[in-house]
Amino acid sequence: QVQLVQSGAEVREPGASVKVSCKTSGYTFSGYYIHWVRQAPGEGPEWMGRINPNSGGTNVAETLQGRVTMTRDTSITMVYMELNWLRSDDTAVYYCARGGPVAGLLDNWGQGTLVTVSS
Amino acid sequence: IQVTQSPSSLSASVGDRVVITCRASQSIGSYLNWYQQKPGKAPKPLIYSANGLQSGVPSRFSGSGSGTDFTLTISSLQPEDFATYYCQQTYNVLSTFGQGTKLEIK
Repeated sequence: QVQLVQSGAEVREPGASVKVSCKTSGYTFSGYYIHWVRQAPGEGPEWMGRINPNSGGTNVAETLQGRVTMTRDTSITMVYMELNWLRSDDTAVYYCARGGPVAGLLDNWGQGTLVTVSS
Repeated sequence: IQVTQSPSSLSASVGDRVVITCRASQSIGSYLNWYQQKPGKAPKPLIYSANGLQSGVPSRFSGSGSGTDFTLTISSLQPEDFATYYCQQTYNVLSTFGQGTKLEIK
């Protein structure tokens, strides 16, 4: 079955960087975009961006351009999201999700990674 | 593209019919998806392309609409349906979510 398993919780100080990993399995890695979505406490989801696992090409939300980098390692079917210049309002649960074949529905999700930014 | 949901919260009883609305700031065709989220869990996909029922989702859930106006309908609320619901537009490569509708027990 399709699985996305994320790395564990992280705590960072303002100005630092964080890198979250997403290990995929159970499907053809190159065939589906991986999206990143974050959710601040008590807020709705915010779409961050996506990566094409085949080409490595990315699309990033305008509000995060210049701070987010998405990469992949096809040999181990892993995707990474790095966020730089962390601020307190980056505190959130970060999810990876697979973009399904129809209408870009996010059809399988990781369990989420809590990133806390605090001095 | 902005997507705006209404209402932001809703109280209803088991067995009720519930309708949640999502409005896009410009025409998005049928590129509108719906999710259900319970506390501490990832969003669960319900509806794709405005009216397609995701595999495994009960038939009491249905979606409709096109262009700028969309609805999610739950025909007869069950206890497990009390959750927060989000719409998502995927017309633009830079996707966006609605702010959510919290469905609470009356």
